[in-house]
Amino acid sequence: SQQGEEDPQALSIQEGENATMNCSYKTGINNLQWYRQNSGRGLVHLILIRSNEREKHSGRLRVTLDTSKKSSSLLITASRAADTASYFCATRLTGGGNKLTFGTGTQLKVEL
Amino acid sequence: DVKVTQSSRYLVKRTGEKVFLECVQDMDHENMFWYRQDPGLGLRLIYFSYDVKMKEKGDIPEGYSVSREKKERFSLILESASTNQTSMYLCATQGGGVAGDEQYFGPGTRLTVT
Repeated sequence: SQQGEEDPQALSIQEGENATMNCSYKTGINNLQWYRQNSGRGLVHLILIRSNEREKHSGRLRVTLDTSKKSSSLLITASRAADTASYFCATRLTGGGNKLTFGTGTQLKVEL
Repeated sequence: DVKVTQSSRYLVKRTGEKVFLECVQDMDHENMFWYRQDPGLGLRLIYFSYDVKMKEKGDIPEGYSVSREKKERFSLILESASTNQTSMYLCATQGGGVAGDEQYFGPGTRLTVT
C-alpha cells in the first residue's frame, strides 16, 4: 500500500451533513496536508497540520493527527454542494526534503 | 495570490513526437514540481527542481526530462511520447522555508498520445 492512503475511496452525503475522510501513512512525517481538487482541475491547498499538533481548524474544516496511529482525518461540517470534489492527503516525510507524497484521494459527492 | 500557469489545458500528440509542457509561476518560489495523475493512482512525482538549473528525479522519471533555465519556468519534456504517457500532468510550486510548505498547483494539462 502507498504512503498516504485515503479512506473511503468515495463518499456520498446529503447537503448539511458532515463528511469525514481518513488518511493513513507509513513513515515519520514533518507535516500532513489536505488538498481539494475539483473535477479536471489543479489541486488547492486546504490545511496543514504539523507533526507536533493534534488538531487544527479552518472554517468548516477540522483536521486531526494521531502520530501514534499514523493517521489523520479531515472533517467537513455542514457540507454544501460546492464541497463536491476529490480530497487528497499529502505528507512531508521526515528527511524527505520539500517533496510531498500524495495519497490516492477520496471522491466526495454532496447531493442537494 | 500565487499564480501558476500551464501552457495548454488539452494536448493531443502522436506516438514518437517530442512534447514540451511548460509551467510558469509568478511568486519567485524556489521549488517546482511535475506530477502525473492517473485514476486510482493519485499524484505521482516525476521530477522536481529546487533552484535554477537544478533538478532531481521523483518517483517515476523514466521517459521524461526537465529543464529549468529561469526561476519562474519549469518545463517537462517527453522525448518520444508513448501511449502510456497519456495522463493529466500537474505542475506545482512551493516557497519552502518561511514561505511555507504548501504547494500551489496549475490547472493541469490533459495529454493524450495516440
